[in-house]
Amino acid sequence: EAGVTQFPSHSVIEKGQTVTLRCDPISGHDNLYWYRRVMGKEIKFLLHFVKESKQDESGMPNNRFLAERTGGTYSTLKVQPAELEDSGVYFCASSPLGPDEKLFFGSGTQLSVL
Amino acid sequence: QKEVEQDPGPLSVPEGAIVSLNCTYSNSAFQYFMWYRQYSRKGPELLMYTYSSGNKEDGRFTAQVDKSSKYISLFIRDSQPSDSATYLCAMSPNFGNEKLTFGTGTRLTIIP
Repeated sequence: EAGVTQFPSHSVIEKGQTVTLRCDPISGHDNLYWYRRVMGKEIKFLLHFVKESKQDESGMPNNRFLAERTGGTYSTLKVQPAELEDSGVYFCASSPLGPDEKLFFGSGTQLSVL
Repeated sequence: QKEVEQDPGPLSVPEGAIVSLNCTYSNSAFQYFMWYRQYSRKGPELLMYTYSSGNKEDGRFTAQVDKSSKYISLFIRDSQPSDSATYLCAMSPNFGNEKLTFGTGTRLTIIP
């Protein structure tokens, strides 16, 4: 079974540019989460989709970040315009609906804003 | 003050040693406590989870929660070089609500 897939694995952009990160969850997983780890800090929650609906976006830093999940399948996270402090590793995770369901993480996208 | 505090290490121990990893937390609402293992350039992988206070054992791993002290531990017995990774504690008010609060992670190296 394929795991959570994220791409690109690395992205280097200049301040002010736009970047779009993509996450393909495990097939059949209705829950999809985005997390971020800034260097030296802990992994922090960004937002949660249930199917195509945003369940909780309380962790999104500001309106430069836009997440979508078209058709309840893959998700994209767009940063526009990117700032230096957006650098970090962006993780996507998915799980089935229901209690006691394990969360599966992707390998992350390393974003560097120069 | 961070909600979850975890010693970042790094921690190096010889193969076969018992490893103790710990986290403290301040939010009394946390009910589910998890340990994730993260290998280099990979995402976190759930190792164990426990609900409320008590111990849970899975092979060489034991997770312990003391809610009265707001302290959780992960013990690794007979440590192996393959256990070398970063270990992250994570917590949530309830399982199924995966808005997890993570510690910073402890980098562990098992020396052959």
